[in-house]
Amino acid sequence: DTAVSQTPKYLVTQMGNDKSIKCEQNLGHDTMYWYKQDSKKFLKIMFSYNNKELIINETVPNRFSPKSPDKAHLNLHINSLELGDSAVYFCASSQDHGGGSLGTQYFGPGTRLLVL
Amino acid sequence: GEDVEQSLFLSVREGDSSVINCTYTDSSSTYLYWYKQEPGAGLQLLTYIFSNMDMKQDQRLTVLLNKKDKHLSLRIADTQTGDSAIYFCAEKGTSYDKVIFGPGTSLSVIP
Repeated sequence: DTAVSQTPKYLVTQMGNDKSIKCEQNLGHDTMYWYKQDSKKFLKIMFSYNNKELIINETVPNRFSPKSPDKAHLNLHINSLELGDSAVYFCASSQDHGGGSLGTQYFGPGTRLLVL
Repeated sequence: GEDVEQSLFLSVREGDSSVINCTYTDSSSTYLYWYKQEPGAGLQLLTYIFSNMDMKQDQRLTVLLNKKDKHLSLRIADTQTGDSAIYFCAEKGTSYDKVIFGPGTSLSVIP
């Protein structure tokens, strides 16, 4: 009955590999996000999708490509992994009706990515 | 652009009150949030306040908003060791879908 789930929880991989992180929400929300949290715990938004459409795309290398097959899923694919990609990646979702709504974000447990 | 700032560390004794402060720059902020992140876990919404409110109380938590100074604070009464975590301030303006998070304040509770 988890609201926002991510897989895998831990990911250890070699530099240069390609990997994917999956996210699913069962809250019926229409907006999903990916955040990156670095070693200093700074949380930075990467992408936001609303009803499968890209809404926010912050300055993120092209090696990161989000894919939203439906509004309950937002996956993150990373090509040619680099050491600096090591971080915790959080998925989140919200029900948003535009700038005037509460838009409380519910976070997944995070995926801890370590690139060796 | 929008920015949210917080002090990075706070240490208090068990039983004392904790006050975590936050400042933001977006004058069009409509909602302000406090999230808690325990070690190894995701962010959990603690409380939020609408920009037309000055104060909100929820059990041990009191949120104060000074909209003129763009200052938000979270007071935790009778702080317990289980309150040790990172607390993130966040604000949402009229920009669709974008919530800006502060850097987080790491609260340590000393027994």
